[in-house]
Amino acid sequence: GAGVSQSPSNKVTEKGKDVELRCDPISGHTALYWYRQRLGQGLEFLIYFQGNSAPDKSGLPSDRFSAERTGESVSTLTIQRTQQEDSAVYLCASSQGQGGQPQHFGDGTRLSIL
Amino acid sequence: DQQVKQNSPSLSVQEGRISILNCDYTNSMFDYFLWYKKYPAEGPTFLISISSIKDKNEDGRFTVFLNKSAKHLSLHIVPSQPGDSAVYFCAASVGGFQKLVFGTGTRLLVSP
Repeated sequence: GAGVSQSPSNKVTEKGKDVELRCDPISGHTALYWYRQRLGQGLEFLIYFQGNSAPDKSGLPSDRFSAERTGESVSTLTIQRTQQEDSAVYLCASSQGQGGQPQHFGDGTRLSIL
Repeated sequence: DQQVKQNSPSLSVQEGRISILNCDYTNSMFDYFLWYKKYPAEGPTFLISISSIKDKNEDGRFTVFLNKSAKHLSLHIVPSQPGDSAVYFCAASVGGFQKLVFGTGTRLLVSP
């Protein structure tokens, strides 16, 4: 498809387990972002990849969170030892260039920690 | 510290009338502002943006107004349509469209 693709769409897991979320950005988009939206709140910036530059990790809430990106394509967000407060919708976005174009979002992964 | 605030959680408007959604911000360094629309179970969709060098930007039925002295922006939708019913998020950033800071959203309901 032409849009940002995220998988899985839903994930339910037990507290303490590790989870991995995947994002396929729009082809040709050099910038990739991860956000989190907790219930009733706005989107919260987590991490930003731009080309081959070092990622901006300033939004990651703890060292249990990490993300990788392979070149200018797929990205994975990993949450280790999940906690109930990690329950949220995790949204990925991509854009062209270095911040000169608006971000296009995927439909998100709804993560529920039991 | 909520840097971008949308103080109205919901708004109801009749079809054909004007919808006005408001957003306030506290960080004077913000120089790019965007509005996104979000339907349930979908990702946000970009609507319209404005940079701090302008005070108005128009795209079809959508117009965004920026009042820098008041640190306030608004989105006007004229005429409103039932398909506009969604949650609208205001977002802001510094130096471009990276690292957006979002408000908590306003749910717009346009009734026929």
